[in-house]
Amino acid sequence: GEEVAQTPKHLVRGEGQKAKLYCAPIKGHSYVFWYQQVLKNEFKFLISFQNENVFDETGMPKERFSAKCLPNSPCSLEIQATKLEDSAVYFCASSQPGGSRTNEKLFFGSGTQLSVL
Amino acid sequence: AQTVTQSQPEMSVQEAETVTLSCTYDTSESNYYLFWYKQPPSRQMILVIRQEAYKQQNATENRFSVNFQKAAKSFSLKISDSQLGDTAMYFCAFAPTGGNQFYFGTGTSLTVIP
Repeated sequence: GEEVAQTPKHLVRGEGQKAKLYCAPIKGHSYVFWYQQVLKNEFKFLISFQNENVFDETGMPKERFSAKCLPNSPCSLEIQATKLEDSAVYFCASSQPGGSRTNEKLFFGSGTQLSVL
Repeated sequence: AQTVTQSQPEMSVQEAETVTLSCTYDTSESNYYLFWYKQPPSRQMILVIRQEAYKQQNATENRFSVNFQKAAKSFSLKISDSQLGDTAMYFCAFAPTGGNQFYFGTGTSLTVIP
């Protein structure tokens, strides 16, 4: 597709429940990024993928967060045992493939609003 | 470490006037891209303008232009003939060429006043 598709748009979970978010990157894009935006302000980098391989996971709280990008499936971000502070908008973005032009531009999905109660 | 700083949390401008949003960044990279993204209340992130660091010429896109000062590590956005639809959060971003992630500033909330 020609846009990054994120589902669901909104997700409500009780504290301690699991949350799973999905992202289909633009067809032909090899790089996928997940960002967490809290309070419409700071974008916190979580993880990036090059195809199905983890590219950079330095932002992931590894105890409860995990992510995958498998062939022929949407990418996913899963939060086990959600906490109140996980409430945020989670954005997925993709970019074009290849070498030095990897970061030519990011195309964003419309985000998933996660509310942990 | 790469950092992006936007020192103006909020700004306002009269419709049809010109406004400049500031952004500075810190990096030891020599090849990189700089971006301005707009986030209206719909929360969709929209690319406004992009600058390649190796290009000296400032990027322009219709009413949007940048003032890129590589030595000063400054990348300001000028919006001319401001319109009500320009009301949004604006994020400055930096990405090293071939790097692993994009780095974002904390945003400037711009309000265009009728």
